[in-house]
Amino acid sequence: ELKVEQNPLFLSMQEGKNYTIYCNYSTTSDRLYWYRQDPGKSLESLFVLLSNGAVKQEGRLMASLDTKARLSTLHITAAVHDLSATYFCAVGLNFGNEKLTFGTGTRLTIIP
Amino acid sequence: KAGVTQTPRYLIKTRGQQVTLSCSPISGHRSVSWYQQTPGQGLQFLFEYFSETQRNKGNFPGRFSGRQFSNSRSEMNVSTLELGDSALYLCASSWTGGNTEAFFGQGTRLTVV
Repeated sequence: ELKVEQNPLFLSMQEGKNYTIYCNYSTTSDRLYWYRQDPGKSLESLFVLLSNGAVKQEGRLMASLDTKARLSTLHITAAVHDLSATYFCAVGLNFGNEKLTFGTGTRLTIIP
Repeated sequence: KAGVTQTPRYLIKTRGQQVTLSCSPISGHRSVSWYQQTPGQGLQFLFEYFSETQRNKGNFPGRFSGRQFSNSRSEMNVSTLELGDSALYLCASSWTGGNTEAFFGQGTRLTVV
C-alpha cells in the first residue's frame, strides 16, 4: 500500500526566510503533485512533477522530484505572508489510475 | 473555461438520512474522482469514474456509492448517514491523458447532526 509522508506537519517561519517541505513516498510512482489549500477552501494545483529530476518553479515556490529516493521537496524562498496555507503533496501510481494518495499536509504560517 | 462545479456547497443532514452530492467536471474531462477530507483522517480517496464506469475504489463502506453520467457529470451518494460522515467532500476532474492533472472543485461541506 502506498504511503505518503510529509514533514514538517506545522511550520512557522518569518517573512523573508527560506524553508523546505519534504514529501516521502513508499512506492515507485509516475507522478507527484503539490497542492495548496487555504482554510475552508478547495485544493489549488501548484505543480505536477512527472519524471526523475523534474524541477518546477512558480514565484517563490520551487518543487523538485527524485524518484530514486522517492522524495519530493517544496522550497519556499523569501517567504511572504500570502504563502500562509496548508500544502499537500499527492502521489499517483500510474497513468490511467486516477487515485491520488495524499500526504498529511504541512500547515505553513508566515509571521511578519 | 469553467472549473469543476460542486453542488450544493453546504449541507446539514440528520443521522440515518441519505444525501446526494453532485460534481460537474471541466468540459472535456472524462475522469471524476471523489475525496473525503476530515481533520482526523486527512484526504482520502473514495472512488473514481471514467466513461460512466467505476475504475478505482477506496476503502469506504458500501454506504458510499457513486455514478457517472454520459456527460461526465458525477454524483456521490451516502446512505444511512453517521456522525463520522461529516466532512468536506471534494471532487476532482482530469482528462486522463498523458500528463493528467487533477483539478478540484470547491467542495461540499456535509454536517451530520
